[in-house]
Amino acid sequence: EDQVTQSPEALRLQEGESSSLNCSYTVSGLRGLFWYRQDPGKGPEFLFTLYSAGEEKEKERLKATLTKKESFLHITAPKPEDSATYLCAVQAKRGYSTLTFGKGTMLLVSP
Amino acid sequence: DGGITQSPKYLFRKEGQNVTLSCEQNLNHDAMYWYRQDPGQGLRLIYYSQIVNDFQKGDIAEGYSVSREKKESFPLTVTSAQKNPTAFYLCASSIEKAWNQPQHFGDGTRLSIL
Repeated sequence: EDQVTQSPEALRLQEGESSSLNCSYTVSGLRGLFWYRQDPGKGPEFLFTLYSAGEEKEKERLKATLTKKESFLHITAPKPEDSATYLCAVQAKRGYSTLTFGKGTMLLVSP
Repeated sequence: DGGITQSPKYLFRKEGQNVTLSCEQNLNHDAMYWYRQDPGQGLRLIYYSQIVNDFQKGDIAEGYSVSREKKESFPLTVTSAQKNPTAFYLCASSIEKAWNQPQHFGDGTRLSIL
């Protein structure tokens, strides 16, 4: 069974204070790992897809990295508008595989 | 603008009543999905459809039904058999043939019990 564990559950940062969110996964052959951002009362917004260990993707203050067991979402010099819940999901290689989501990390950035 | 439209935004259900949540997409995506999100929980898959007139059960299909008569539309019915329907429901779509492509989500319907 595929599993995704995200940590921490919640993180509070001061504006400009860089940090990382973790996504640990267990899957029988990874087809892709996805990061989403979700604002309260809204649907998840796609951020990145990572396919293989060693891969990195960047977007503004966010950088996602991938190893064989986990992915990190690094947030550099965050701003209050980065406050959201960040979701991680994996897709396995077998057949037509749906996504398995983690419970998310709720990030709050204070001015 | 291309996207996924879910309606209504808020919905209330009486005991013993079936309610239907609407999901429409104009992205020309083949695959569509329904998820349920509860506080502190990850998204859980209810049903998905890879092609018109075909759909498969997800992890928590009991008490729900779907139809896929048109490529653009994938309505979800929450039946009276679903004893704990209060949740945030999310619809998503993706390009089915291109694996590794992300799912794109609507802005959800919040269902509550009267």
